[in-house]
Amino acid sequence: AQSVTQLGSHVSVSEGALVLLRCNYSSSVPPYLFWYVQYPNQGLQLLLKYTTGATLVKGINGFEAEFKKSETSFHLTKPSAHMSDAAEYFCAVSDRGYSTLTFGKGTMLLVSP
Amino acid sequence: GAVVSQHPSWVICKSGTSVKIECRSLDFQATTMFWYRQFPKQSLMLMATSNEGSKATYEQGVEKDKFLINHASLTLSTLTVTSAHPEDSSFYICSARVRQDNYGYTFGSGTRLTVV
Repeated sequence: AQSVTQLGSHVSVSEGALVLLRCNYSSSVPPYLFWYVQYPNQGLQLLLKYTTGATLVKGINGFEAEFKKSETSFHLTKPSAHMSDAAEYFCAVSDRGYSTLTFGKGTMLLVSP
Repeated sequence: GAVVSQHPSWVICKSGTSVKIECRSLDFQATTMFWYRQFPKQSLMLMATSNEGSKATYEQGVEKDKFLINHASLTLSTLTVTSAHPEDSSFYICSARVRQDNYGYTFGSGTRLTVV
């Protein structure tokens, strides 16, 4: 069975500061990995995903994540936070058959001026 | 890109009534649709997986007679909450697997259901 652990239910940063949201997964085989963002009362928007190839993945809005197999991690980063980045972020995994997504509990990113 | 249109965005209904939520794939064929439920400040919990033309597969603990899922066409899947009760109040989101996107996933905008 797969599982996802997101460290920190809330992360607070100042505008312009580095954003780091942590995600660790548990899977018997290397999974596909995703980061989604959710704004209040809205669906999920894909930020980026890792399937194969380069382990450093660049996504939308300046976000990127690095797949580290040895650490079973897929942390999300952004060099400089913007007020509009304040939202809930979910890390998710699926098996390589794209059957179902397993989500982490989410991390609320708070950005202060 | 692949878009899933979900309606309604929000609905308020009385206890005992039924509510239907629709998800339509606008520019692709959704052979598989996933239905999630999200409680406030919590993660998404998969309720069921539906494949076009066949019965949905429900996750453990989800009442199939209460949450009726129909996936009769490649562009439409519906979730009907029957005999709704206040504890059914939640945020419901659909998601489709997109073949054109190397089988990635796209999500509807969600439906806020409030049962009074």
